Parts: sequence; structure tokens; C-alpha cells
Amino acid sequence: ETGVTQSPTHLIKTRGQQVTLRCSSQSGHNTVSWYQQALGQGPQFIFQYYREEENGRGNFPPRFSGLQFPNYSSELNVNALELDDSALYLCASSFQGRRTDTQYFGPGTRLTVL
Amino acid sequence: KQEVTQIPAALSVPEGENLVLNCSFTDSAIYNLQWFRQDPGKGLTSLLLIQSSQREQTSGRLNASLDKSSGRSTLYIAASQPGDSATYLCALSFQGAQKLVFGQGTRLTINP
Repeated sequence: ETGVTQSPTHLIKTRGQQVTLRCSSQSGHNTVSWYQQALGQGPQFIFQYYREEENGRGNFPPRFSGLQFPNYSSELNVNALELDDSALYLCASSFQGRRTDTQYFGPGTRLTVL
Repeated sequence: KQEVTQIPAALSVPEGENLVLNCSFTDSAIYNLQWFRQDPGKGLTSLLLIQSSQREQTSGRLNASLDKSSGRSTLYIAASQPGDSATYLCALSFQGAQKLVFGQGTRLTINP
């Protein structure tokens, strides 16, 4: 059973650019959630995808968007990057319908916006 | 608004001590509560998950408790070791909601 993987590990962009982050969910999981973690803070929920559709969204602007593919992998896209977008981006996979609903996190992508 | 608070923000103790990390929350209608560990610059590792109907869970030297009526959870670490040094985060999920709501974390340092 493979765990949650994310790519790339690190990324440096300049303000105004666009970025795509990728996540492969754990085998057997059908749900992917994305979180943003600023330095010294707890993760903040961005959105969740279940069966290729958005299934809940946090307080993030529309320039944060996502996709989920038939194999349950996912992308996070951020347009018009701002300096405050610099953070660790975490994805987590889970299986909807299980009572425990444990989310398994990937290692994260560190995004730096200059 | 659902708020989760972790106190203290940082804690430094000598090796071998037993210690308690605290997590408080404002909304008692939780679905479950998880404790995570995060090493610097890394992802999150789930340590323990407590269902809303449970009062505690144990794994090795770790014990987590849940008191919904007072809006509190504690993570007890017995016989601490330098390898326990990390940031510990508690996170809540709520019925009908898809997200985890995290506290700010407690940065724990175990001194040899």
C-alpha cells in the first residue's frame, strides 16, 4: 500500500505567476483534501474533492482551484500568486464513508513567492 | 466559528519526564478529534484518533483523552525521549463538514 505523495517538494515563484501542485492519494482512498500551512501556524482547509467534484471549501479566494482525476489523484492550482501564498501546502487522502475518517497526509510542497 | 486553541505554544522538558499537551475547542458538536505530529518542514503523522463517543485512546507511550462537555482534549506522553521532539497538532472534524480544524500546535523539545 503506497502512501500519499506530493510533487514538487519545493517551488519558487514570483508574484503574479501561476502554480500547479500535485498529489497522489493513498491506495483505496477516494477523497483528497488540501490545506495551507503558514509558518508557525496550523494548517488551514482550502477545499476537498470527492469523486472528482469539489465537496467543501474553506475561506480561500477563487484563484485557488483544484481538480481530482479518475484515479483519485489531485491538483491544486493557484493563479495570480501573492507574497502571502508562501506556505507549506499539504494534501490528505481519506475514504469517505468510513466511521473513522482518518486523513493521511503527504509530505507537503513548500511554495515560496518572491 | 469553530476555534481550536493549544497551550502552551512551546514546551521544553528534560528526557524521561511525563508531560501533558492541551487542546481546547469552542464547539462541542465534534465528529472526532485527532492528534498529529509534525517534524520541521514535513507533513503530518496521525498519532491518535478519538471518536466523539469515546473518552480516550492509547498507543504505546501516548494517551489522548476527550471531554466534550468542557471542550478539552489532552495528549499525555509518558517517559519522554529526544525523538519525541516535534510539533504536536490537534484537529477536530464536525458532523456534516468535510474539513479538519487545527490548533496552532505545541512545539515540544525534549532535552537529553
